[in-house]
Amino acid sequence: KNQVEQSPQSLIILEGKNCTLQCNYTVSPFSNLRWYKQDTGRGPVSLTIMTFSENTKSNGRYTATLDADTKQSSLHITASQLSDSASYICVVRVYGGSQGNLIFGKGTKLSVKP
Amino acid sequence: AAGVIQSPRHLIKEKRETATLKCYPIPRHDTVYWYQQGPGQDPQFLISFYEKMQSDKGSIPDRFSAQQFSDYHSELNMSSLELGDSALYFCASSLMLASYNEQFFGPGTRLTVL
Repeated sequence: KNQVEQSPQSLIILEGKNCTLQCNYTVSPFSNLRWYKQDTGRGPVSLTIMTFSENTKSNGRYTATLDADTKQSSLHITASQLSDSASYICVVRVYGGSQGNLIFGKGTKLSVKP
Repeated sequence: AAGVIQSPRHLIKEKRETATLKCYPIPRHDTVYWYQQGPGQDPQFLISFYEKMQSDKGSIPDRFSAQQFSDYHSELNMSSLELGDSALYFCASSLMLASYNEQFFGPGTRLTVL
């Protein structure tokens, strides 16, 4: 069964600190992996998107890694800001199949405190 | 840059009523997707359209229908509303031939059924 699991479920850090969110997936065949940031009550906003051949991709203070062999991804946030407080969702797309075939993780709820 | 527009942003309906949600994709995007996100849940794929034709169907109830119009905007029609239909409804759009075929999400419509 195609699944995406994220950890931790929630995380509280102090402003200015770094943190790393984890994503493990059992999706096959794999097409790409995306990290989204979702503010409460808002639509997900894409942070990074990677195919199996990409190991690292950065977007400002966000750096995502992908290990296609172990089927693991991480999202590292550097020098956190209060505005980073949100849910971070790992989404894996199944290769081929339907265009709607995105497998969503449950997300990690990040709270950045002053 | 223009984003996906959804209207209304909030909607309150009574049980057994009908609701229509609208989605305006990013200009030149040819594919529209609809998702339903219940409280504390990950988004569930409902249906997608490519070039005005239904391209994939997910867990959309028979009480719901959708279509994509000639200007590529899409409408999700929901009839005989039930309490369990209360959720955040996201629309996403993409350009089929773009790299990754990445989906860009709208801000969502929060539907509350009383």
